[in-house]
Amino acid sequence: EIVMTQSPATLSVSPGEGATLSCRASQSISNRLAWYQQQLGQSPRLLIYGASIRATGIPARFSGSGSGTEYTLTINGLQSEDFAVYYCQQYNVWPLTFGGGTKVEIK
Amino acid sequence: QVQLVESGGGVVQPGRSLRLSCAASGFTFNNFGIHWVRQAPGKGLEWVAIISHDGGNERFADSVRGRFTVSRDNSKSTLYLQMNSLSTEDTAVYYCAKGSSSFYYPHMDVWGKGTTVTVSS
Repeated sequence: EIVMTQSPATLSVSPGEGATLSCRASQSISNRLAWYQQQLGQSPRLLIYGASIRATGIPARFSGSGSGTEYTLTINGLQSEDFAVYYCQQYNVWPLTFGGGTKVEIK
Repeated sequence: QVQLVESGGGVVQPGRSLRLSCAASGFTFNNFGIHWVRQAPGKGLEWVAIISHDGGNERFADSVRGRFTVSRDNSKSTLYLQMNSLSTEDTAVYYCAKGSSSFYYPHMDVWGKGTTVTVSS
């Protein structure tokens, strides 16, 4: 099983600032990496797939990058609705696995 | 628009069974694999299972393999998760999520709102 490790666990950011979230896979996942946002009390929403492709309707302030085992989600100019928990997920190998999540909170 | 609606959750005793349903609309159901993902209270996301577009392929997480089965009725655009030998560790919100492909290399592009399963005596 591929282990996905997200860091940091919690990120405190002021509105308008940027945030960088990291995700590391225990082995190469060939860019088959997705990012999801989960707001409090809501179901998850797809943000990024293929490591860097924004899903339909996702604002350009969200961007993904990386390759191999190291991936990053960058959020520019955080808005109030961006304070949430973010999960990475690999879909290269069964079983599919998620990272433990990064909570982005208001500083 | 694409929509997934889960149902069938509730309170069940340890060792008993429960069947969840997921009704889909707004897309060609029989073209896509569908996932089940769960989230225990206060915890992260855990992938549970996937069934292929035609029901011919399935994969399960180790934690549920042998206890859970997944099926689909393409004529009704509905997915099912049969959960047997439930334990308290199965307590979670269960989401169904549309896969991005018929089966292989599928991220989850649309999620339902979830149904809550509580296993308790």
